[in-house]
Amino acid sequence: EAGVAQSPRYKIIEKRQSVAFWCNPISGHATLYWYQQILGQGPKLLIQFQNNGVVDDSQLPKDRFSAERLKGVDSTLKIQPAKLEDSAVYLCASSPGIAAKNIQYFGAGTRLSVL
Amino acid sequence: GDSVTQMEGPVTLSEEAFLTINCTYTATGYPSLFWYVQYPGEGLQLLLKATKADDKGSNKGFEATYRKETTSFHLEKGSVQVSDSAVYFCALSARIGAQKLVFGQGTRLTINP
Repeated sequence: EAGVAQSPRYKIIEKRQSVAFWCNPISGHATLYWYQQILGQGPKLLIQFQNNGVVDDSQLPKDRFSAERLKGVDSTLKIQPAKLEDSAVYLCASSPGIAAKNIQYFGAGTRLSVL
Repeated sequence: GDSVTQMEGPVTLSEEAFLTINCTYTATGYPSLFWYVQYPGEGLQLLLKATKADDKGSNKGFEATYRKETTSFHLEKGSVQVSDSAVYFCALSARIGAQKLVFGQGTRLTINP
């Protein structure tokens, strides 16, 4: 079974530029998550989708971050414009559903450096 | 809000030593508890989980017991190997509402031969 796919693996941009990340979850997984992991910290949830609807985006900085999950499968996360403090690893995860017992499966992440 | 506190690292041990990484949590109700591991250059992988009080999760020689009375979920292994070198994250997922994972800050473990 293929895992969660993310691209690109690495991205370097200058502040005020825009950037987009892509995620393809495990086939059949209804729930998709985007986490931000700043160096030395644990991942923090940015947004959670159930199929193509948003379940939780309370910690998404909506003035600069946006995400969509068209057709309930792939998802993109965009930052526009980027700030220095956005330098982090962006992790995508998926799970079969939203029950607490469901395991979340993570992709390898996209490492973003904002200069 | 919900939170997880892990012992600070980094932790360095010799091969075959006993490992304990402490984890305590604050949550409303009775969350599910997890340990995730991140090997160099790889994504997070579930190591073990427990979904109710007194449950013991185990995998690859690692164990952790869900202790409601002390709100803890400490990770233990009797004899570590060099291949166990990684970053370990304790996490919880609430039983109600959106079941996002709330992570601790991670503990970097290095095992020397």
